[in-house]
Amino acid sequence: SQQGEEDPQALSIQEGENATMNCSYKTSINNLQWYRQNSGRGLVHLILIRSNEREKHSGRLRVTLDTSKKSSSLLITASRAADTASYFCATEGSSGYSTLTFGKGTMLLVSP
Amino acid sequence: NAGVTQTPKFQVLKTGQSMTLQCAQDMNHEYMSWYRQDPGMGLRLIHYSVGAGITDQGEVPNGYNVSRSTTEDFPLRLLSAAPSQTSVYFCASSVQGGRYGYTFGSGTRLTVV
Repeated sequence: SQQGEEDPQALSIQEGENATMNCSYKTSINNLQWYRQNSGRGLVHLILIRSNEREKHSGRLRVTLDTSKKSSSLLITASRAADTASYFCATEGSSGYSTLTFGKGTMLLVSP
Repeated sequence: NAGVTQTPKFQVLKTGQSMTLQCAQDMNHEYMSWYRQDPGMGLRLIHYSVGAGITDQGEVPNGYNVSRSTTEDFPLRLLSAAPSQTSVYFCASSVQGGRYGYTFGSGTRLTVV
């Protein structure tokens, strides 16, 4: 079953604007990760945030994690047309062997 | 570094045929996984391996077999293809599971007619 649910399903913005995507999950986790997928390509790992962290930055990316609400957000600042892609959150559970459970993704369109 | 290499990139099968999707990584990663991606469903885990000789089932394992005889290779076998297996298949690898992020292959687009 899907662990994460991204919101919104689709997002359309102009270049230079910020894009915020949200992810909710159901069970306890070790970490939460965000991936990007360009059309017809494989997924690319963007950033990982551990369950004991609340915020993490990487370049134009900012990720927050609220374990009490079982939710995370990904902020992309100053978006570019090249950021157009689908974005997925994935969680690593806190029990058993570590495998990732993915959400259904947010499709981001950044227009010039 | 080639990363994760998947072959073939495209494949059309007839119902009932069998085939093997190949996956190889050159990063000495212990963990390898197979996912399928269907429209509106995100990625779902088929099988995974935590090291050579060790495999386990994921969320949707029916109709698929895997083996892991070497660290580098993790082939996925479709035993008797069905139209429901039409999907895009991704192989991924990681050191110590998902704790540092997975590296994905570019995918195999499979159509079963």
